[in-house]
Amino acid sequence: EIVMTQSPATLSVSPGERATLSCRASQSVSSNLAWYQQKPGQAPRLLIYGASTRATGIPARFSGSGSGTEFTLTISSLQSEDFAVYYCQQYNNWPFTFGGGTKVEIK
Amino acid sequence: QVQLVQSGAEVKKPGASVKVSCKVSGYTLTELSMHWVRQAPGKGLEWMGGFDPEDGETIYAQKFQGRVTMTEDTSTDTAYMELSSLRSEDTAVYYCATQWQGIFDYWGQGTLVTVSS
Repeated sequence: EIVMTQSPATLSVSPGERATLSCRASQSVSSNLAWYQQKPGQAPRLLIYGASTRATGIPARFSGSGSGTEFTLTISSLQSEDFAVYYCQQYNNWPFTFGGGTKVEIK
Repeated sequence: QVQLVQSGAEVKKPGASVKVSCKVSGYTLTELSMHWVRQAPGKGLEWMGGFDPEDGETIYAQKFQGRVTMTEDTSTDTAYMELSSLRSEDTAVYYCATQWQGIFDYWGQGTLVTVSS
């Protein structure tokens, strides 16, 4: 099973600032990496797939990069609605696995 | 647009079984690959299993093998997830989600299952 490790666990950022979230895979997942956003009491929402392709309706301030084992989600200018938990997920191999999440909180 | 509406919260005793439903609208179930993901309180996401369109079979995470059964009623476009031999560690929100090329693109609202004596 591929283990996905996210860092940091918590990221404190001021509104308008940039946030950079990391995700590392225990073995290569090529570009088969997705990012999800989850707000309290809500289901996760797909943000990015293919490591860098934004899902439908996702604002351009969200961008993804990386391949192989190292990936990054960048939120260029944090808005109030962006404070949430973010998960990465690999879909290169069964079982599909998620990272432990990064909570982006208001500084 | 796919919409997934799940059944309501459940409280079960240890050793019992629970069956959660997920009603599809906007598409038919046969057009989708349905999966189930759970989330324990304050924890991350855990894939449980789902339909693999490449093999045409339902696959389960090894952790749940023998305890989980995922079925579909195409006449009502409803998917089901049944988990047996419940224990306290199974207390979680259970989500159905459609899978497209490995990506979970649409999610149900979640069903809280509480296991308590």
